[in-house]
Amino acid sequence: GQNIDQPTEMTATEGAIVQINCTYQTSGFNGLFWYQQHAGEAPTFLSYNVLDGLEEKGRFSSFLSRSKGYSYLLLKELQMKDSASYLCAVRDSGGGADGLTFGKGTHLIIQP
Amino acid sequence: DAMVIQNPRYQVTQFGKPVTLSCSQTLNHNVMYWYQQKSSQAPKLLFHYYDKDFNNEADTPDNFQSRRPNTSFCFLDIRSPGLGDAAMYLCATSGQLSSYEQYFGPGTRLTVT
Repeated sequence: GQNIDQPTEMTATEGAIVQINCTYQTSGFNGLFWYQQHAGEAPTFLSYNVLDGLEEKGRFSSFLSRSKGYSYLLLKELQMKDSASYLCAVRDSGGGADGLTFGKGTHLIIQP
Repeated sequence: DAMVIQNPRYQVTQFGKPVTLSCSQTLNHNVMYWYQQKSSQAPKLLFHYYDKDFNNEADTPDNFQSRRPNTSFCFLDIRSPGLGDAAMYLCATSGQLSSYEQYFGPGTRLTVT
């Protein structure tokens, strides 16, 4: 089974930096994903980590430590449009099922 | 431009009345997934198809069935909806079984009265 934990809600200021943490306990591991989801909309892919280290993509970076079962998503130069839920998801390496197991999401509120 | 299309966007059904949700894709992807997302909760995988091969999650209730008549279309059938089945249903696709990116449709919000 999988257990994925992330904070329920965070607040940050426009133009600042915010880090959203995710910890996971899984029976197998074949990649960690971050998705952004605006209210009432579909999740959109942000990043993917399968090896330890930092992946940078514009204003967004994602870090993974497999030994610690830990990841974070770093958002820089925050904009009001970044207000959304951020979902951490893990792919289990076992079996034929290749879907993702999602955390409950972190609701990020950006204040002016 | 839409790549994963779900119809309808909003569906109301009565308790116990069968309902079918539809998903189509223009990406020609091999894999199609159905997720259930209840309010303020994580999306939960129900099942997926790799081509015509159906893979059911162990804890998906028998009340939920799926059909994939061709590469482009996939359906979610709820045989006897209960009040607890009210949720957003998300369809997603990926190009191959180990592809790192899943493309999500806009979802169908199901209300059960």
